[in-house]
Amino acid sequence: EAGVAQSPRYKIIEKRQSVAFWCNPISGHATLYWYQQILGQGPKLLIQFQNNGVVDDSQLPKDRFSAERLKGVDSTLKIQPAKLEDSAVYLCASSLDRGRNTGELFFGEGSRLTVL
Amino acid sequence: QKEVEQDPGPLSVPEGAIVSLNCTYSNSAFQYFMWYRQYSRKGPELLMYTYSSGNKEDGRFTAQVDKSSKYISLFIRDSQPSDSATYLCAMSYNTDKLIFGTGTRLQVFP
Repeated sequence: EAGVAQSPRYKIIEKRQSVAFWCNPISGHATLYWYQQILGQGPKLLIQFQNNGVVDDSQLPKDRFSAERLKGVDSTLKIQPAKLEDSAVYLCASSLDRGRNTGELFFGEGSRLTVL
Repeated sequence: QKEVEQDPGPLSVPEGAIVSLNCTYSNSAFQYFMWYRQYSRKGPELLMYTYSSGNKEDGRFTAQVDKSSKYISLFIRDSQPSDSATYLCAMSYNTDKLIFGTGTRLQVFP
C-alpha cells in the first residue's frame, strides 16, 4: 500500500514570497490533515478536511495560509506571503475515518520550508 | 501552561537498557493517548494507542496511562540502536484532533 505522498521535500524561499505544498493521501482515506512542525516542537494541526469539506481550521493563519482539497483526494497548502517564522516542516497526514478509536494518522515525510 | 508537557531530552542509553519516556497533561477531558515514533527527516508513525487508563503491551513496548495523575509513560525494554528516534506523545478528547507533546529524542548506543 502506497503511503502519503508529499512534494516538494525541501523548499527555500525569501520572506514575502509564496510557496505551495502538495499532498496525496492514502487511497480511500477520507480525512486529510496538514500539520506544522517547528524545529524542536511537536506537530501542530493547521487544518483538517473530511472528504473535501473543512472540519477544523481554527489554527490556520488565514491571512497568509490557505488550503484546499478539491474532489476530496489531493490537497494543496499555500503560504503567501511567507514570514521567517513559517520555517518548519509541513506534514500531511490521512486517516481512514478521522482516526476514530484508533488514533492512527498516517503521515507523509513532510515538506521542509526555510524562509530567509 | 501547555496542554501537554514532555521532556525534550536528549536521552542517551546503552543498548539493552530499559527506557522510560513520560508526558504530563493538564486537561482531564483527554480520553485517547498515543505514542508516535519519528525518525530523523521522516513523518511520525503510530507506536502505541491506549483508551482511558491502564496498561498496554506490544512486544518490547509498554504504554501506561494514569488519568488520576494526568501522566502517561512509554517503556521500552531491551532497547536497540534502531529505537533511536524522537518519541512524541499525543492525546485527544473524543475526536481525532491530536495534541502532541514536543517529543523526546532518544539515542541508544551500541
